[in-house]
Parts: sequence; structure tokens; C-alpha cells
Amino acid sequence: SQQGEEDPQALSIQEGENATMNCSYKTSINNLQWYRQNSGRGLVHLILIRSNEREKHSGRLRVTLDTSKKSSSLLITASRAADTASYFCATDGWGNAGKSTFGDGTTLTVKP
Amino acid sequence: EAGVTQFPSHSVIEKGQTVTLRCDPISGHDNLYWYRRVMGKEIKFLLHFVKESKQDESGMPNNRFLAERTGGTYSTLKVQPAELEDSGVYFCASSLGWGAVGANVLTFGAGSRLTVL
Repeated sequence: SQQGEEDPQALSIQEGENATMNCSYKTSINNLQWYRQNSGRGLVHLILIRSNEREKHSGRLRVTLDTSKKSSSLLITASRAADTASYFCATDGWGNAGKSTFGDGTTLTVKP
Repeated sequence: EAGVTQFPSHSVIEKGQTVTLRCDPISGHDNLYWYRRVMGKEIKFLLHFVKESKQDESGMPNNRFLAERTGGTYSTLKVQPAELEDSGVYFCASSLGWGAVGANVLTFGAGSRLTVL
């Protein structure tokens, strides 16, 4: 299996519900980032969490990081149809800044 | 400010032909990266430029791929000759020079989709 695996692969929810996506990785990291990709568009950086941080918030996004379990979660609260996209986690190792290792992504569908 | 732009957005070529993808990073971004996503697989790092120098090209799949960044501005990625397995989306990203605030954050382009028939 690959560094930065997302779970689930696909998630379908109703508008207003919360969406939780998980990411697991294998090696020691410097930071972990979450990206969103809308169909046919580039990757948009959402949030970066450093290895010494446990939780971070940005608007309706909440990211947690558990380095002991080598896992992270992305929570989107009060989802909207516009949140429909693919979400990727990416890890940067020590001394490898910018050389991110991405997972396969979670496809989120938010139904209006 | 303009984002990272990539051209073409989609290219369809036959096996054995040559394709050149172009990336214009955000002005002032020293770091430029190429990634690709082959169908159904994860997004994988290809290489990293710092200005005009190749910092890390460990992800380049083979010698059919050639990346350049003359003058440290835009970059090109040439595939010659293209094979069926090269089909996928090629992403370019850029970031500020290390040491700058926000240098960890990559700004990605929309990608160039390559289809090899």
C-alpha cells in the first residue's frame, strides 16, 4: 500500500451533514497537507498541519493529526454542494520539502 | 496575481509521437515541481527545480522524459517517444523559495491531460 492512503475512497452525503475523511501514512513526516480538486481543475491547498501539531481549524475545516498512529482526518462541517470534489492528503518528509507524497484521494459528493 | 498556468490543457497523441507540456509558475516562485497522476493511481512526484537547476529528479520514470527550466522561469516537460502508459494528468506546482513564509505551500496548475493512443 502507498504512503498517504485516504479512506473512504468515495463518500456521498446530504447538504448540511458533516464529512470525515481519513488519511494514513507510513513514514515519519515533517508536515501533512490536505488538498481539494474540483473536476477538471488544479489542486487547491486547504490546510497544512505540522508534525508537532495535533489539531488545526480553518473555517468549516478541522484537521487532526495523530503521529503515533500515523493518521490524519479532515472534517468538513455543514457541507455544501460546492464542497463536492476529490480530497487528497499529502505528506512531506524531513528534508524533502515540496516533494509531497499523495494518496489516492477521497471523492466527496454532497447532494443538495 | 496570476496562478500557475499549464498548456495544453489536453493533448491527444499517438504512441511514438512527441509531446511538450509547458508550465508557467507564479512570478517570483523559485521552486517548480512536476507531478503526474496516471489513471486510477496516486499523484506522484516527478521532479523539482530550484530556479533553473534540477534539485531532485528522482521521480522521473525513464529517459523518455526530459524537463527543462531555462532561465528559471517557465518549464517544459517533453515526452519522447510517448507510450500508452504515459497517459494521465501532469500537474505543475510552484512555491516561494525556502525560508520564505508559506514556502511549504504549493500552488498547483489545472494540469495537462495527456492521452496516448
